[in-house]
Amino acid sequence: RKEVEQDPGPFNVPEGATVAFNCTYSNSASQSFFWYRQDCRKEPKLLMSVYSSGNEDGRFTAQLNRASQYISLLIRDSKLSDSATYLCVVNPSGYNKLIFGAGTRLAVHP
Amino acid sequence: NAGVTQTPKFQVLKTGQSMTLQCAQDMNHEYMSWYRQDPGMGLRLIHYSVGAGITDQGEVPNGYNVSRSTTEDFPLRLLSAAPSQTSVYFCASSLSGAGNIQYFGAGTRLSVL
Repeated sequence: RKEVEQDPGPFNVPEGATVAFNCTYSNSASQSFFWYRQDCRKEPKLLMSVYSSGNEDGRFTAQLNRASQYISLLIRDSKLSDSATYLCVVNPSGYNKLIFGAGTRLAVHP
Repeated sequence: NAGVTQTPKFQVLKTGQSMTLQCAQDMNHEYMSWYRQDPGMGLRLIHYSVGAGITDQGEVPNGYNVSRSTTEDFPLRLLSAAPSQTSVYFCASSLSGAGNIQYFGAGTRLSVL
């Protein structure tokens, strides 16, 4: 089993739609969680950190469920510019390294 | 604002050749790391460093060497290139560890023939 698993997609949605991605992780002691965004042939960039209480940044909402070991990302009112690959990233407890999921591809169409 | 600078952007090597991928950051970050990204797979950690003079292995270190003589620079050396090392390589840095925001360079696309 992969340490961090994501549905690769692609998720094809119209502009204005709401879309949600899930990500599961295997190390129950993981302590930090992130969503990164990666545009085609570009470097990853931080979208948002994921906190235990859940957090929101504009149209983006991230949730953490420690009991079920998954994190989620909700995008409301999708824009064409949201088209990208979204990477789920986990920092296992006690390790100074990150584990990346393979990414979920989102395509927003007019 | 330079951030994390990687050179070269593209490179083609023949099997058995050696080369060094350069990575420099101007943010005074202590933590630096190298990843490779292959189709259908997540970024995989090759080596990382928590400060000048300190390096450690990641998930896929075989065939690669690193050193950290200064805070700013973290070069990645391919000792004897193999076709399996064809990949996109990203360098990243953060203030003090893996739990902080990672800033990535633009990547190096390497082909080994």
